[in-house]
Parts: sequence; structure tokens; C-alpha cells
Amino acid sequence: EAGVTQFPSHSVIEKGQTVTLRCDPISGHDNLYWYRRVMGKEIKFLLHFVKESKQDESGMPNNRFLAERTGGTYSTLKVQPAELEDSGVYFCASSQETSGNYEQYFGPGTRLTVT
Amino acid sequence: SQQGEEDPQALSIQEGENATMNCSYKTSINNLQWYRQNSGRGLVHLILIRSNEREKHSGRLRVTLDTSKKSSSLLITASRAADTASYFCATEEAEAAGNKLTFGGGTRVLVKP
Repeated sequence: EAGVTQFPSHSVIEKGQTVTLRCDPISGHDNLYWYRRVMGKEIKFLLHFVKESKQDESGMPNNRFLAERTGGTYSTLKVQPAELEDSGVYFCASSQETSGNYEQYFGPGTRLTVT
Repeated sequence: SQQGEEDPQALSIQEGENATMNCSYKTSINNLQWYRQNSGRGLVHLILIRSNEREKHSGRLRVTLDTSKKSSSLLITASRAADTASYFCATEEAEAAGNKLTFGGGTRVLVKP
């Protein structure tokens, strides 16, 4: 069974440009999460999808970030326009259930560098 | 301060020794999870301990949970060079919507051969 995959593994863009990150969860997992770790800080929750619906987007930092999960399969996270402080590693995770105590499986992350 | 703080921030041991790291948190939780991250790689799930459990084992890993002190510990026995990584605790808060995880800052473990 394939794990959570993310693309690209690394992206370098200039301030003001747009970047789109992609996450493919484990097949059959309805729950998809985005997290990020900016330099020197903890890994922080961004948002949670249940199928195609946003269950919780309380961690999204501002309206420059837009997450979608059309069709309830893969998800994209777009940053537009990117700022220097957006640099960090963006992780995606998926889980089978939310009804108590199901582990989240993480992807390898996308390292975003904004110059 | 953060939900999920880890102690120590860094740990250096010899191969064969045990490594112990601690995690403290602030709110009521459904469960606490430990993850490992090797340099440049993703997060690997190690173990999940539910709020009504006190101790759990998986191979060379032993996790304890003390909900009265809001703390957990991860013990790696007979460490190997391959255990060199960063270790993170993450809590699923009981009162939070959904089941998002709140991470600690991590403990960097170096196992010297």
C-alpha cells in the first residue's frame, strides 16, 4: 500500500510568486490534514478535510493560503502571493477515521523556500 | 508556552545506551502520539497511547502517560545509530474540533557508534 505522497519535494520561488503544493493521501482515507513547520518553530496544524469538506481551517495563517480537495481525493495548497515567512516544510497527513484514536500517516513534506 | 513541550531539546548517547525524552502538555487529551523524523525525511508514526492507558510498548520503545501530571515519556532501549533522529510528541486535544494534532518542539537524538 502506497503511503502519503507529496509533490514537489522542494520548491524555490521568489517573493510574490505563486506556488501550489499537492498531497495524495493513502487510498481510502477520508481525512486529510495539512501542517507546516517554519524555521525554528513547532509543527503547526493548518487545516483538516473530511472528504472534500473543510472540517477545520483554524490554523490557516491568512487569506494568501488556499486549500482544496475537489472530489475528496488529492488536495492542493496554494500560496499566493508567497512571502518570505512562508518558507518552511509543509506536511500532509491522512487518517482512516476521526472517531477516536486513529494515527495520522504523514507524507515526506514539501520544503518551500521563498527568496 | 506550547502545548506539547519536550525535554531535553537534544540528547547525545552511545550506541547500546537507553534514551529517555519527556513531553508535557496543557489540556485534556484523547491521545498522545510519538513521531520520529530522520533528517530530511517525513514523520514516521511510532506509537499512540490513549488517555486511559498508562504504559505501552512497541519493540524497543516504551511510552508512559501520566494524565494527572499531563506528561509522557518515550524510552528507547538499547539504542542504535539508526535511531539518530528528531522525536516529536503530538497530542490530540479532547476539546478541539476534529482531531488535529498539536506538536512539541522535538528532541534531537544523536546515537554515536
